[in-house]
Amino acid sequence: AQRVTQPEKLLSVFKGAPVELKCNYSYSGSPELFWYVQYSRQRLQLLLRHISRESIKGFTADLNKGETSFHLKKPFAQEEDSAMYYCALTWNSGNTPLVFGKGTRLSVIA
Amino acid sequence: IAGITQAPTSQILAAGRRMTLRCTQDMRHNAMYWYRQDLGLGLRLIHYSNTAGTTGKGEVPDGYSVSRANTDDFPLTLASAVPSQTSVYFCASSDRHTNSPLHFGNGTRLTVT
Repeated sequence: AQRVTQPEKLLSVFKGAPVELKCNYSYSGSPELFWYVQYSRQRLQLLLRHISRESIKGFTADLNKGETSFHLKKPFAQEEDSAMYYCALTWNSGNTPLVFGKGTRLSVIA
Repeated sequence: IAGITQAPTSQILAAGRRMTLRCTQDMRHNAMYWYRQDLGLGLRLIHYSNTAGTTGKGEVPDGYSVSRANTDDFPLTLASAVPSQTSVYFCASSDRHTNSPLHFGNGTRLTVT
């Protein structure tokens, strides 16, 4: 079965330090990968998707099909980055509902 | 209404009672979804609907039912609530024609006692 693995439940970093939130997936075809973010008391929202190849709020993520990974990175963490981050997978040109990982809570310490 | 609206915001429900969580969207998205969010388990798909008149089962459908009589509404019903259904429920929608990302509602926090 298709699966998304986020190995870290909690990641704490100091302000200004680099951040890497790990995401691995299991799917042999052509996946579409996403990162969603949930700030405190807010709804889940899209952070970025791999087909856009863009940087949002300083975050980037590159799809590595060889390692089946889609790690989220930011060179310098900010306090406002503290949130819950979910990696998600779909396939079949988005006609299949998203499968989410269990999430990683990022805590940026001042 | 802008986006997706869920009601109620929160609810405490006695076990065995019937409950319907409401979800309405005004974006004319064809696809709608119900997820539950549990600590340590992330978001799990309960049911989905690719278009009005059709529904499908997700990863954790047992104990839940849905209907999609029109494009805008996608209610989730718990026929006889049990404590394990205590969770935060999120409704979401997307436009499959344009492969748009999911838009989420604010969630309903349900406690079954």
